[in-house]
Amino acid sequence: GDSVTQMEGPVTLSEEAFLTINCTYTATGYPSLFWYVQYPGEGLQLLLKATKADDKGSNKGFEATYRKETTSFHLEKGSVQVSDSAVYFCALSDVAGNQFYFGTGTSLTVIP
Amino acid sequence: GAGVSQSPSNKVTEKGKDVELRCDPISGHTALYWYRQSLGQGLEFLIYFQGNSAPDKSGLPSDRFSAERTGGSVSTLTIQRTQQEDSAVYLCASRRGGGANYGYTFGSGTRLTVV
Repeated sequence: GDSVTQMEGPVTLSEEAFLTINCTYTATGYPSLFWYVQYPGEGLQLLLKATKADDKGSNKGFEATYRKETTSFHLEKGSVQVSDSAVYFCALSDVAGNQFYFGTGTSLTVIP
Repeated sequence: GAGVSQSPSNKVTEKGKDVELRCDPISGHTALYWYRQSLGQGLEFLIYFQGNSAPDKSGLPSDRFSAERTGGSVSTLTIQRTQQEDSAVYLCASRRGGGANYGYTFGSGTRLTVV
């Protein structure tokens, strides 16, 4: 069945460091891919998405490219800030659009 | 409303009691989901409603769990005879219709603690 595997955390970075959180997926057909972010004490928020191969989703300085050849959707940011400290979830929507599959989440802490 | 609203935000209950958790989705969103997030764990799918179709209950962990959605809008998740392992954050999400391109909008969740 469809599934998402993401890099385990926690991840601790200094401010202005480069961030990569790996995400790979298994799916039938061409799913849509998403990154969600959960700030402390809050619900999940959609960060970015990509709906077809080679699409790049971007928001708030974060980017992820839908790579069908490597079945990956890695999240990157060139210079993290303390305010980026949160848990990041990679997710996949199956082709029918009925079901989402989430990774286990990666906790990011950015220290000044 | 502007967002997905869940109530209560926190609930402490005694083992063996029944609880009801409420979700008010974004107006016009036909798809509604319930997930459970346990400490240090990912999101566990519980149940999915799409319009007037029969709900997908494949994620409900036991027959103590049930959910309904009245009038295609508000949903209630009921846990009967709560157990300590039911302690978790219960998240509701809604989405504009089916289709793979639409992301979810999540509520802030209900933190359930069973003592």
